[in-house]
Amino acid sequence: DAGVTQSPTHLIKTRGQQVTLRCSPKSGHDTVSWYQQALGQGPQFIFQYYEEEERQRGNFPDRFSGHQFPNYSSELNVNALLLGDSALYLCASSLVVGGGETQYFGPGTRLLVL
Amino acid sequence: QQPVQSPQAVILREGEDAVINCSSSKALYSVHWYRQKHGEAPVFLMILLKGGEQKGHDKISASFNEKKQQSSLYLTASQLSYSGTYFCGTEGSGGSNYKLTFGKGTLLTVNP
Repeated sequence: DAGVTQSPTHLIKTRGQQVTLRCSPKSGHDTVSWYQQALGQGPQFIFQYYEEEERQRGNFPDRFSGHQFPNYSSELNVNALLLGDSALYLCASSLVVGGGETQYFGPGTRLLVL
Repeated sequence: QQPVQSPQAVILREGEDAVINCSSSKALYSVHWYRQKHGEAPVFLMILLKGGEQKGHDKISASFNEKKQQSSLYLTASQLSYSGTYFCGTEGSGGSNYKLTFGKGTLLTVNP
């Protein structure tokens, strides 16, 4: 049973560029959440996708956008990159039944903005 | 509102016990515990739901005081493999599972 996968594993970009990160959820899961984890901090919620729609959004600017495909995989796009966007980007998948469902994290994409 | 974890760091010898606390200022539906090793993804350990249901790891236990919005993770007879940063993630009342709000983490080091 494949777990959550993410690509690429590492990425180096320069300020002002745009980046797309990809996530495939755990088999059987229909919900994908994206988190940003800065060095030494806990993950911060960016947004969650369910049924191809953004269901809730954290405190992140519109430069952060996403998409979910019919096969439940998801993309995170970040435009006009800033130095402060350097972080580990984590994707977590879950199966929405009600509240309190476990979110399983992928290995993450480490983004460095120069 | 970000939950507050304590202690920030703890060092143990193999076989010793540890308790990690997580406290929130808002009403909670669930508390999720994860362990993250350096350079790796957070790994699910335990979920505690309002009403007392628990799901998780055989060798790790936890408690959830709904009235105080507090949870504690109990690591007994620690092993070297327990080393890592422990995060609690909280889900607000209503049980929407829309997002988890994580604390800053507790760094646990287990030495031989």
